Amino acid sequence: GDSVTQMEGPVTLSEEAFLTINCTYTATGYPSLFWYVQYPGEGLQLLLKATKADDKGSNKGFEATYRKETTSFHLEKGSVQVSDSAVYFCALSDRAAGNKLTFGGGTRVLVKP
Amino acid sequence: NAGVMQNPRHLVRRRGQEARLRCSPMKGHSHVYWYRQLPEEGLKFMVYLQKENIIDESGMPKERFSAEFPKEGPSILRIQQVVRGDSAAYFCASSGGEETQYFGPGTRLLVL
Repeated sequence: GDSVTQMEGPVTLSEEAFLTINCTYTATGYPSLFWYVQYPGEGLQLLLKATKADDKGSNKGFEATYRKETTSFHLEKGSVQVSDSAVYFCALSDRAAGNKLTFGGGTRVLVKP
Repeated sequence: NAGVMQNPRHLVRRRGQEARLRCSPMKGHSHVYWYRQLPEEGLKFMVYLQKENIIDESGMPKERFSAEFPKEGPSILRIQQVVRGDSAAYFCASSGGEETQYFGPGTRLLVL
């Protein structure tokens, strides 16, 4: 079945540092890929998405490129802020199964001033 | 345009009681998904519903759990005879049939 693996946290960074969160996936079809962010005590917010190979999703300074050859969708941000402290989830959508989402385990990011 | 609404936000139940979680999708959305997040874990798919129909319940435990999405009113996730292992955050998401799902704030269930 489908699966998503992302790097374990916590990831602790200083403000203005470069952030990378690795995400790889296994899927039988051609999924769409997503990054969601969860702030403490809240639900998930869609951060960005990509629907086909070589697509780049971007939002709020975050970027991720759909790499079919390496089955990866790594999240990057060039200069993090304290407000980026959250848990980040990589996910894939299975079109053949009603678009249900399969999530990675989440990566907690803590940005210190 | 209101987002996905869930209530209650927090629910405390004693073992053996019933828990009833509600989800109102975004306006115009007729597809509802339920996910469960155990402490310090990712989200796991439970069930996918469209109005009056269960499309995929492959992630639902076989016993005690049920879901519905009636023609009128919110979607309901019902857990009968709760046990401590049911303590988790339950998230509802909705879509208009496309791939992107929009999540509610979740219901945090604590079973004493």
